[in-house]
Amino acid sequence: DAKTTQPPSMDCAEGRAANLPCNHSTISGNEYVYWYRQIHSQGPQYIIHGLKNNETNEMASLIITEDRKSSTLILPHATLRDTAVYYCIATSVEYGNKLVFGAGTILRVKS
Amino acid sequence: GAVVSQHPSRVICKSGTSVKIECRSLDFQATTMFWYRQFPKQSLMLMATSNEGSKATYEQGVEKDKFLINHASLTLSTLTVTSAHPEDSSFYICSAAGQGRKYFGPGTRLTVT
Repeated sequence: DAKTTQPPSMDCAEGRAANLPCNHSTISGNEYVYWYRQIHSQGPQYIIHGLKNNETNEMASLIITEDRKSSTLILPHATLRDTAVYYCIATSVEYGNKLVFGAGTILRVKS
Repeated sequence: GAVVSQHPSRVICKSGTSVKIECRSLDFQATTMFWYRQFPKQSLMLMATSNEGSKATYEQGVEKDKFLINHASLTLSTLTVTSAHPEDSSFYICSAAGQGRKYFGPGTRLTVT
């Protein structure tokens, strides 16, 4: 499965958009990009996933570059409750769809 | 969304005893479940993949005789930490695959004294 690289931490003002980048330059054609977040001492929460096209749901938007080597998770209006560790993971059926977590990005939303 | 539960949420046991952690998918059937361990201020580490009706597949470096996994039904997987030691103290999280994505349980905090 492709290795992903994320910044260790980011700050965002409450009410503003939070843009979390992820590099996955070795991603293969059948690997999806998944985003999860983990609030302190809880299990990870699914946010969104995509293959090639940009995706949007009630929580966030996922922008994947045309070459698929990087992506950005966008939380359109960050709130204090969005403070968490955000994980970007690339995986595919070939790898048993296993989710292997990296270090993630600590997002701190500040008022 | 789908719900995954874990029991117990917290457990304290004495060194040398065994502890069983249950993971249940409450409203969907999961042929595959995953077990993770997380130490303080670290990321989740995948321990093993549990498949219903077959032996679990362990990640490199994880002792299969110490961490016994049983996936007896499509809604239940159990992780037994045998002969627990203080270094096994950790946050154990399960994940169940269903509806095209992975759902995580709330985690079990194990403390071995």
